[in-house]
Amino acid sequence: QVQLVQSGAEVKKPGSSVKVPCKASGDTFSSYAISWLRQAPGQGLEWMGRIIPSFGSVYHAQKFQDRVTITADQSLRTVYMDLSGLRSEDTAVYYCARDREDLKAFDLWAQGTKVTVSS
Amino acid sequence: QSALTQPASVSESPGQSITISCTGTSSDIGDYNFVSWYQQHPGKAPQLIIYEVSSRPSGVSNRFSGSKSGNTASLTISGLQAEDEADYYCCSYASSSPHWLFGGGTKLTVL
Repeated sequence: QVQLVQSGAEVKKPGSSVKVPCKASGDTFSSYAISWLRQAPGQGLEWMGRIIPSFGSVYHAQKFQDRVTITADQSLRTVYMDLSGLRSEDTAVYYCARDREDLKAFDLWAQGTKVTVSS
Repeated sequence: QSALTQPASVSESPGQSITISCTGTSSDIGDYNFVSWYQQHPGKAPQLIIYEVSSRPSGVSNRFSGSKSGNTASLTISGLQAEDEADYYCCSYASSSPHWLFGGGTKLTVL
């Protein structure tokens, strides 16, 4: 069964970093891009960036350019999103999703990881 | 403030139809036919229901349909059912970063 699975919730201090893994099964990892999105409490969705694991190419939204690092470990079929310099406004549920270039849409989502930034 | 504008909430009775609008600009919705819609139930991840303005992924009910006119996209749900009660988000490709823009979401209540 094709799916994406993320890790459990995290609580972080302001100024620290969080690294969220997203493990893929099936042909998801080798054939498609993976995007990261987030959803602050009671808010809409926000796209952060994407990676094509088979090529290693990465693109970040300008807003997160200096703070987000997206990487992939092909041997583990896992994509990582590392967000540094955490502040309270980064409290959100972070999702990885399969980014289909042919559909121009995100057609498969992981369950999400809640990241809480609090002192 | 979200990049695309959606009504915060809509409501309708079971069996009726409802349309949710999503307004952008000539740099996103108006310039590209890359509008998608997502359904999100409480505590769950979003699920794709419409892509490329009006196409439905396999397994999505044909009660869901999409359209676009100018800078505004629309999602129509016909024959409303209790299970349709959820948040709906529109998304469009845009010419400048962050390239993928979302609406603030519309909460659908089936009365």
